[in-house]
Amino acid sequence: QSVLTQPPSASGTPGQRVTISCSGSSSNIGSNYVYWYQQLPGTAPKLLIYRNNQRPSGVPDRFSGSKSGTSASLAISGLRSEDEADYYCAAWDDSLSGHYVFGTGTKVTVL
Amino acid sequence: EVQLVESGGGLVQPGGSLRLSCAASGFTFSSYAMHWVRQAPGKGLEYVSAISSNGGSTYYANSVKGRFTISRDNSKNTLYLQMGSLRAEDMAVYYCARDYDPNWGVYGYFDLWGRGTLVTVSS
Repeated sequence: QSVLTQPPSASGTPGQRVTISCSGSSSNIGSNYVYWYQQLPGTAPKLLIYRNNQRPSGVPDRFSGSKSGTSASLAISGLRSEDEADYYCAAWDDSLSGHYVFGTGTKVTVL
Repeated sequence: EVQLVESGGGLVQPGGSLRLSCAASGFTFSSYAMHWVRQAPGKGLEYVSAISSNGGSTYYANSVKGRFTISRDNSKNTLYLQMGSLRAEDMAVYYCARDYDPNWGVYGYFDLWGRGTLVTVSS
């Protein structure tokens, strides 16, 4: 089961700013990098943010990531219809000899 | 083109076995750790297994430990997942993913994903 908690849904109108939270613990977000993945409907996940706040080449600067303590956030500014997707946070967890953990996922709807 | 293509999914009975493959192209496969991540229908992502670039180090989630085996053939640019004693809860789309790093672990992340292959476990 997921150890990173996200809200099940978020929504906004085109042009708005939407923020998704990801809550973890000292063994994962509190001590390691956070990553964000975007999964458009019917497709595979895609890396959106790496090492807390870095964007891979090709990812618009409308997407930004941040981390504070044992929580992280993904912000989407200037929301567009093509941003409608599922978003997952992820991190390495130091417990049990170490393993990757994903968040529960957030469905973003563009109204 | 840099890509990962999974194959080998299908319908299998509970208790049965299946081997998934992931063919890599467009990059130096032997330089990267690789992973399997699965997604049950309508559910979130679940981490399954990892293997280092030279195959010397592996990891399995508790849910599959002792039943699944990850391996790779760097001469064929292919990643494998041998699945045994399959259960209904193993039914999912299985994605292979490339790690940024040669060794899976705290500094790695999944920078390239395949399109996935569906495994259905049913009698």
